[in-house]
Amino acid sequence: QVQLQQSGAELAKPGSSVKISCKASGYTFTSYYISWIKQTTGQGLEYIGYINTGSGGTNYNEKFKGKATLTVDKSSSTAFMQLSSLTPDDSAVYYCARLGANWEGDYWGQGVMVTVSS
Amino acid sequence: DTVLTQSPALAVSPGERVSISCRASEGVNSYMHWYQQKPGQQPKLLIYKASNLASGVPARFSGSGSGTDFTLTIDPVEADDTATYFCQQSWNDPTFGAGTKLELK
Repeated sequence: QVQLQQSGAELAKPGSSVKISCKASGYTFTSYYISWIKQTTGQGLEYIGYINTGSGGTNYNEKFKGKATLTVDKSSSTAFMQLSSLTPDDSAVYYCARLGANWEGDYWGQGVMVTVSS
Repeated sequence: DTVLTQSPALAVSPGERVSISCRASEGVNSYMHWYQQKPGQQPKLLIYKASNLASGVPARFSGSGSGTDFTLTIDPVEADDTATYFCQQSWNDPTFGAGTKLELK
């Protein structure tokens, strides 16, 4: 069965970076793009961007350019998102989701809570 | 950005039919998708491309609409359907609605 297993919760200081992972199983990793989504109580769900798991090509929501960097390791079927120059506004739950044929998130990881605090 | 507007909350009794609406600020063709999210869980895909039932989703869930107006219908509602329901469009740069919280009376 398709599964996306994300890494554990992160507590980070302002100005630092975190890198969270999303390990895929149960399907051919390079056949589907992986997207990343931010969820907060105040802003709801926000689309960060996606990565072409075959080529490594990326597409970012303008708001997250310079904040998020998406990469992939095909050998381990894992997608990564690095968040840099963290501020308290980056505190959120971050999800990865597999993109289906119509650009819907057909399978989601369990989410990673990132807390930015001094 | 394409803004998706949903009503914030609904309350229905088990066994009733409920319709949850989503209005887009501009046309999104049929590229509207619906998700269910329960507290502490990740969103789960229910409907893709306006009216297609995702794998494993009960036939009590259905979707309709095109252009700017879309509806998710649950008929009949069951106690386990208590959740927040989000719409998301992928015709333009992807955006999500703020969610409709469904409560059971």
